[in-house]
Amino acid sequence: QLALTQPPSASASLGASVNLTCSLSSGHSRYAIAWHQQQPEKGLRYLMKVNNDGSHSKGDGIPERFSGSSSGAERYLTISSLQSEDETDYYCQTWGTGIQWVFGGGTKLTVL
Amino acid sequence: EVQLVQSGAEVKKPGESLKISCEGSGYTFSKYWIAWVRQMPGKGLEWMGIIHPGDSDSRYSPSFQGQVTFSADKSFSTAYLQWSSLKASDTAMYYCAKTASGVEPDAFDIWGQGTMVTVSS
Repeated sequence: QLALTQPPSASASLGASVNLTCSLSSGHSRYAIAWHQQQPEKGLRYLMKVNNDGSHSKGDGIPERFSGSSSGAERYLTISSLQSEDETDYYCQTWGTGIQWVFGGGTKLTVL
Repeated sequence: EVQLVQSGAEVKKPGESLKISCEGSGYTFSKYWIAWVRQMPGKGLEWMGIIHPGDSDSRYSPSFQGQVTFSADKSFSTAYLQWSSLKASDTAMYYCAKTASGVEPDAFDIWGQGTMVTVSS
């Protein structure tokens, strides 16, 4: 069954970098995923799509310090030069050929 | 600018009906799927289902099949989510989102701002 797993929390220091992880379920390691940011009081924002080869395509206006990568069944969102405004929830999403979309449980990022 | 604008917050009583909307602009509305996503208070995102405004072809997540109905009016570039009999457990934020591709399943690349639905007696 298609599923995504995210750690519930992550933390990193102001100005540092952090890698958020999204794991695809067994048998689905070649699937692409998307990352979304939940902006307080602003709703959801599409960040990027990450393919199984590690290539990624970002949404309009997404800063360069946001990037994506891939390794096996793991997909990553790297945020560099962390800012206080990055402290929020991040969700990964994937989709199946059978008209099915799935979200991970989300990771709450704390900027120390 | 491509955007989705949703209708405003609603407060309803259990058993009442409700229809909320999602209006697209800045792109050819009829060519891209519109998804509906629920976020209950303090919880994560749940995919409810999806509708293609071009022909109103709708697919529902098993968790929401029979609980809600999707519709669309492409002449008004608007998609709708409706309930015939609300329950307190329907209290949540509801988002619409557009798929990045119009021809195959893909990421959601544009989100509406969300509609808060509160069901309370």
